[in-house]
Amino acid sequence: GAVVSQHPSWVICKSGTSVKIECRSLDFQATTMFWYRQFPKQSLMLMATSNEGSKATYEQGVEKDKFLINHASLTLSTLTVTSAHPEDSSFYICSAGRLAGGMWEQYFGPGTRLTVT
Amino acid sequence: AQKVTQAQTEISVVEKEDVTLDCVYETRDTTYYLFWYKQPPSGELVFLIRRNSFDEQNEISGRYSWNFQKSTSSFNFTITASQVVDSAVYFCALSENDKIIFGKGTRLHILP
Repeated sequence: GAVVSQHPSWVICKSGTSVKIECRSLDFQATTMFWYRQFPKQSLMLMATSNEGSKATYEQGVEKDKFLINHASLTLSTLTVTSAHPEDSSFYICSAGRLAGGMWEQYFGPGTRLTVT
Repeated sequence: AQKVTQAQTEISVVEKEDVTLDCVYETRDTTYYLFWYKQPPSGELVFLIRRNSFDEQNEISGRYSWNFQKSTSSFNFTITASQVVDSAVYFCALSENDKIIFGKGTRLHILP
């Protein structure tokens, strides 16, 4: 159980276009979803936190108008990179969290590799 | 201030050697969780362990063991009798307010 999927697993887009990445919790309801970005040979940096039906909370330095996050249901969150540029090329990882048995649990998706040409 | 410090950027050991990955954390919370994740070249994070701040018992799982010491704010990870398949980037992480904050990672090379 507790599987998180991401789609697509990789995407190549042209500079100036927008790309949407989906994150789904397949067998549980996630009250909170998180989006991370990882540049080559670097750590995972938290971009934003989103709760179902609420606006996302962005970390300092992350442009909310550029990285649009929608958390429309308890099993789906989407990240849209608008007007993508080569510097947005990165590995984007989502995670889904839930409270289970009084403990907070968080599960990571397999990641989406974005290349902007 | 850095919350999770992994001072070892890269380590290389010969297969079958033991290796310890260091992790030092910083938090003001009394309740928190510590994690270790493995990230192989595929990129997908592999969960290894979660430790509650109230549970200082060391843990062993096969060739893996973890040493949690609150007095030094450390949560070190040891691989015994390393194998080439252990080659990966290993991240130590801290959970604060439901957010997981990662260290910079240690790239481990196991040489045949």
